[in-house]
Amino acid sequence: AQSVTQLDSQVPVFEEAPVELRCNYSSSVSVYLFWYVQYPNQGLQLLLKYLSGSTLVKGINGFEAEFNKSQTSFHLRKPSVHISDTAEYFCAVSEKPSVGYSTLTFGKGTMLLVSP
Amino acid sequence: NAGVTQTPKFRVLKTGQSMTLLCAQDMNHEYMYWYRQDPGMGLRLIHYSVGEGTTAKGEVPDGYNVSRLKKQNFLLGLESAAPSQTSVYFCASSPVSGRAKNGDEQFFGPGTRLTVL
Repeated sequence: AQSVTQLDSQVPVFEEAPVELRCNYSSSVSVYLFWYVQYPNQGLQLLLKYLSGSTLVKGINGFEAEFNKSQTSFHLRKPSVHISDTAEYFCAVSEKPSVGYSTLTFGKGTMLLVSP
Repeated sequence: NAGVTQTPKFRVLKTGQSMTLLCAQDMNHEYMYWYRQDPGMGLRLIHYSVGEGTTAKGEVPDGYNVSRLKKQNFLLGLESAAPSQTSVYFCASSPVSGRAKNGDEQFFGPGTRLTVL
C-alpha cells in the first residue's frame, strides 16, 4: 500500500527567502506524484505533478519539485517566496496500476507561513 | 464553467440526524470523490466513483453512503450523524486519461463545513 510522509507540519519563512517543503513516499510499485495547494477557506488546486520523464517538474507560481527514486522523495521548492504563497501544501501519491484503479493518498500537509 | 460545486457550504447537525451533501461537476468527468479533512490529518478518501452507477469504498467509509445516479452528481449521505463526523468535506472530480491512468489532476470543490453537536 502507498503512503506519504510530509516531514514538517509548519514551515515559517521570510518573504523573498527560498523554501523547500519535504515529501517522502512509500510504495512497492511505480508511482505518480503530486503537489496540491490549499489557500485559506478554499479547496485544493494542483501545483504540479510527476508522471514520467524528466525528474525536475515545474509548476505554477514559480514552484518546482524533483523526483528522486532512490530516496523516494518529491520535495517542493521555490527560490523566492511571496506573502501570497502562505497556504497549506499537500503531497500526494497514486500507484501506476496494471489493472483496475488506484486512488490518491495525501500527506498530512505542510503549512507555509510567509512573513514580511 | 462552474467546475465543482458543493451544497451546502455550512451545516450544523445534532447527533443522530441525517443529511445529504450534494456535489455537482460540469466538466463531464468520469471519476468523482468524497474526502474529509481534519486538522493534522490531511485529506482522507471516504468513497469514490469511477463512473455513473458505480461506487467504491475509500479509506474511511464507515458511517457514510454515496450514490452516483447521474454522471455529473455525487451524493454523500450521513444516516445518523455522530460528533466524530464533524469535519470539512471536499468533493473532487477527474477525467479519464488514456495516457496515464490515475495521473490526472483532481479538481476540488470549495468544501462543506459540517459540525455535529
